[in-house]
Amino acid sequence: NAGVTQTPKFQVLKTGQSMTLQCAQDMNHNSMYWYRQDPGMGLRLIYYSASEGTTDKGEVPNGYNVSRLNKREFSLRLESAAPSQTSVYFCAATGRDTYNEQFFGPGTRLTVL
Amino acid sequence: GENVEQHPSTLSVQEGDSAVIKCTYSDSASNYFPWYKQELGKRPQLIIDIRSNVGEKKDQRIAVTLNKTAKHFSLHITETQPEDSAVYFCAASRGDYKLSFGAGTTVTVRA
Repeated sequence: NAGVTQTPKFQVLKTGQSMTLQCAQDMNHNSMYWYRQDPGMGLRLIYYSASEGTTDKGEVPNGYNVSRLNKREFSLRLESAAPSQTSVYFCAATGRDTYNEQFFGPGTRLTVL
Repeated sequence: GENVEQHPSTLSVQEGDSAVIKCTYSDSASNYFPWYKQELGKRPQLIIDIRSNVGEKKDQRIAVTLNKTAKHFSLHITETQPEDSAVYFCAASRGDYKLSFGAGTTVTVRA
């Protein structure tokens, strides 16, 4: 039981390049989230998926797209990376049976040059 | 949307002393208030949470208090130990599975 997993762990991109961050959970949770964490700013919600087949914008969605591929997987895509997207990205999952507790993945440290 | 403010941003305490972190929230409909601990280089993990129908909750050395009228809640850590050194985040939710996080408090426990 791995919980929430993310790939890759680290990534360096050049400005304008694209990439997809992958997230998967094996807890059978309905809701999944993507956050970014920057120093002094806490965790900010980029996009979330309340259930399979639905996605919604969070607090900072500009420059990102998401896909809820199935109940297990939720990916985050940067179409044209910018230095302002340098951050640590966390995926999380929660379900009704966990009463809102969000379980986080290990994070992806992304640097955009 | 919900706005959560957290103070202080850094906190240094002597081992064995208590630590208190305070948060305020803006949305009176918020009814779920978790606290997450993040050790250096690790993922955030839930340490305690409280719901709006409860004023205080305790789990060993940590406790959380909630004042719905004033829209603030606090984390109390007693008898601090070196392993309590971490970044702590408060959060608030309306029960719609979305969390709004505070900016975090870096706690350092001095030996």
